[in-house]
Amino acid sequence: NAGVMQNPRHLVRRRGQEARLRCSPMKGHSHVYWYRQLPEEGLKFMVYLQKENIIDESGMPKERFSAEFPKEGPSILRIQQVVRGDSAAYFCASSPGQGEETQYFGPGTRLLVL
Amino acid sequence: QQQVKQSPQSLIVQKGGISIINCAYENTAFDYFPWYQQFPGKGPALLIAIRPDVSEKKEGRFTISFNKSAKQFSLHIMDSQPGDSATYFCAATHYGQNFVFGPGTRLSVLP
Repeated sequence: NAGVMQNPRHLVRRRGQEARLRCSPMKGHSHVYWYRQLPEEGLKFMVYLQKENIIDESGMPKERFSAEFPKEGPSILRIQQVVRGDSAAYFCASSPGQGEETQYFGPGTRLLVL
Repeated sequence: QQQVKQSPQSLIVQKGGISIINCAYENTAFDYFPWYQQFPGKGPALLIAIRPDVSEKKEGRFTISFNKSAKQFSLHIMDSQPGDSATYFCAATHYGQNFVFGPGTRLSVLP
């Protein structure tokens, strides 16, 4: 029973490039959360999605960031025109459904912007 | 109102001692309070969780104490071991939404 999978585990981008982070939830889970973690800091909520629907994007920056969770395939967090301040660890978590509070986290993607 | 405060920021405990981490919240709508453990380079892993209708929950060496009137909850690690050295996050949520995490406590258990 595979857990939450994220890829790539490490991603290096130059300023102005695009970063695409992928998250495959646990089998049977239909809800995905994305978080950002800066070094020595806690997890900051970004967005909460179910398949083909964004439930809560109150933590997403207004520009350059977008997320989707299509009917088929992984959830994607997309960062356009990356800047050095986007360097962080990005974690995805999944849960079985709305109202299910237990979240299972993936190993994260470490993004480094040069 | 969405914030969860956590203390201490870092904690050093001798092997066999008790580690205590405290959290406080403001939003009375929160109805689920999990604790996560994170090792360097890894994702957070659920450790133990509690709902506000109970005052204490114990799983092995880990205990959550919950004080609804004070809007506080704490994690106690009994007989702390070097393998417990990690960062611990408290969190709060309402119906699986509005997940809010504390800033974390870095625990070091000395051998």
